[in-house]
Parts: sequence; C-alpha cells; structure tokens
Amino acid sequence: AQTVTQSQPEMSVQEAETVTLSCTYDTSESDYYLFWYKQPPSRQMILVIRQEAYKQQNATENRFSVNFQKAAKSFSLKISDSQLGDAAMYFCAYRRDVQFYFGTGTSLTVIP
Amino acid sequence: GAGVSQSPSNKVTEKGKDVELRCDPISGHTALYWYRQRLGQGLEFLIYFQGNSAPDKSGLPSDRFSAERTGESVSTLTIQRTQQEDSAVYLCASTQRVLPDTQYFGPGTRLTVL
Repeated sequence: AQTVTQSQPEMSVQEAETVTLSCTYDTSESDYYLFWYKQPPSRQMILVIRQEAYKQQNATENRFSVNFQKAAKSFSLKISDSQLGDAAMYFCAYRRDVQFYFGTGTSLTVIP
Repeated sequence: GAGVSQSPSNKVTEKGKDVELRCDPISGHTALYWYRQRLGQGLEFLIYFQGNSAPDKSGLPSDRFSAERTGESVSTLTIQRTQQEDSAVYLCASTQRVLPDTQYFGPGTRLTVL
C-alpha cells in the first residue's frame, strides 16, 4: 500500500523568511510522481509543484522548490521569501498510475 | 476557459436522506476523480472515470455511494441513506488528456448530515 505522511500538522513562518514542509511516503515502486498542492480557505486545491521520480534534479517553481530524496522516500517543500498569500493547507501527494494518495496536510501560517 | 465547477457549494441534509452532488469538469478533460475530505484530514480517493472505460470504484466506502459520468462531461456522486459520518467536503478533479498527472480541482461541496 502507498501511504503519504506529513508529520507537521502546523507550521509558521515570518514573512520574507524560508520554511520547509516535510513529507515522506511509502512505496515499492520505482516509477511514480510526487506533488505538493496548496488549499487556501476557499477550498480550491492548487498545484504548487510536481516531481517525476525518475528525475534526479529537484523541481523548482519560482519561490517553491523541493528536496527529493528517492532512497529515503522523502519529498520536502521549501518556500522562500514567504508571502502572506502563501498561508494555506499544504498537501503532499503521490501518484502511481491513475491513483493519487494524499497526506493529512500541513497548515502554514505566515506572520506579518 | 472555466475551471472545474461543483454544485451545490454547501448541502445540509437529515440523516437517512439521499443527496446528489454534481461536478462539471474542464471541457476536454478525459479523466475525473471524486475525493472525500473529512475535517482536518487529507483527501480520500472515492472513484475515478477515464473516458468510456469502466470506472475505478475501489475507493467507494460502502454501497450507499455511487457515481455516474456521461461521456466526458458532467458527473454526479450520489449518497443514499446518508449517515453523520458522511459529513465532509467532497472534491472533484479532472485531468487533461496530454498531462494526466496534473489534477485540476473544483471548490468542493461541503456536506453536513444532521
């Protein structure tokens, strides 16, 4: 079974600072995809970044980057220069074939 | 173009009643997913539709849950004889043909069973 674990239910960061959200997953597969989604209070899930497991290079999208450690089955999200609009729930997700598996989320607070 | 839409936005019902939730995917998206999100929890997969193939119903929690999709358009999720534990946000997502790994989510329906 594939499971995704987010061990930080809540995190906070000062505006303009950097924060890292952790995610680990369990799989016996070698070919899969990993995602970070953001869910603001509006409930709209928004894709932040994705990583293909076969790629060694860490994905980057502007202020968002990941640290993908395949052997350790770790997929952390780093948010640089945090902004007030980054405040939301962040979900880590694993995809194998058509199935997506989500973690329980990390609630990020950005302090002005 | 328009994103994924869901209706109603909120639904309050009494225990034992049937409810029907609707999802309009992005036009041209071949795949459609339903998820359940309980308060403070992650997303729980319910069902998946891909084109005209038989749906993957492996996530449906009981036979009170069913879903239909007409071609590559609207989908409805029906919950019969609702129970209080069915209270949750129900999210729908669709994916493009070319990039099946990127899901586009609707705003969800918050279901409250009294």
